[in-house]
Amino acid sequence: GQNIDQPTEMTATEGAIVQINCTYQTSGFNGLFWYQQHAGEAPTFLSYNVLDGLEEKGRFSSFLSRSKGYSYLLLKELQMKDSASYLCAVRVYNFNKFYFGSGTKLNVKP
Amino acid sequence: GAGVSQSPSNKVTEKGKDVELRCDPISGHTALYWYRQSLGQGLEFLIYFQGNSAPDKSGLPSDRFSAERTGGSVSTLTIQRTQQEDSAVYLCASSPAGGETQYFGPGTRLLVL
Repeated sequence: GQNIDQPTEMTATEGAIVQINCTYQTSGFNGLFWYQQHAGEAPTFLSYNVLDGLEEKGRFSSFLSRSKGYSYLLLKELQMKDSASYLCAVRVYNFNKFYFGSGTKLNVKP
Repeated sequence: GAGVSQSPSNKVTEKGKDVELRCDPISGHTALYWYRQSLGQGLEFLIYFQGNSAPDKSGLPSDRFSAERTGGSVSTLTIQRTQQEDSAVYLCASSPAGGETQYFGPGTRLLVL
């Protein structure tokens, strides 16, 4: 089966840096994705890793270690609008299926 | 249209009735996905279409759920004899062939009374 774990909730301060971890156990790994979802809205794509290492995209970076089944999303210079749920998702070769974690709710406080 | 659209945006139905949910993907996107999201939960994969065919239907929760896609475009998800546990947000996403990401629609919020 597929197993994706991420913390349920995190709190951080405006202007700070926060790291959201995701661990996974899957067969046929074919990429790891991070999505942002504001309450009551659809998820929007943030980042994608298929090879080990760090992908940087403005204030957001994502890291992948395939041997450890581990990824993290790093958010810098936090803003109040970053308060949202962050979903980790793994794509597998089997029919391009995506498996999502339950999401990490990030609360950014002033 | 610019993005993925879904209709209806909200649906309230009585237990036992059938419902049909519609998804219009981004033009030219060959891959289409249906997910279900219960309150405060992650996304549960339901079914994936490549063109008009669904190579993997294993995510459908029961035989009351079915989906089809015609013309490589519009898809409908049908739930027969709805139950209260079917209440959730049903999200559709599309992706270009070989695309790295999915673009999500706004979802249909289904409430079964």
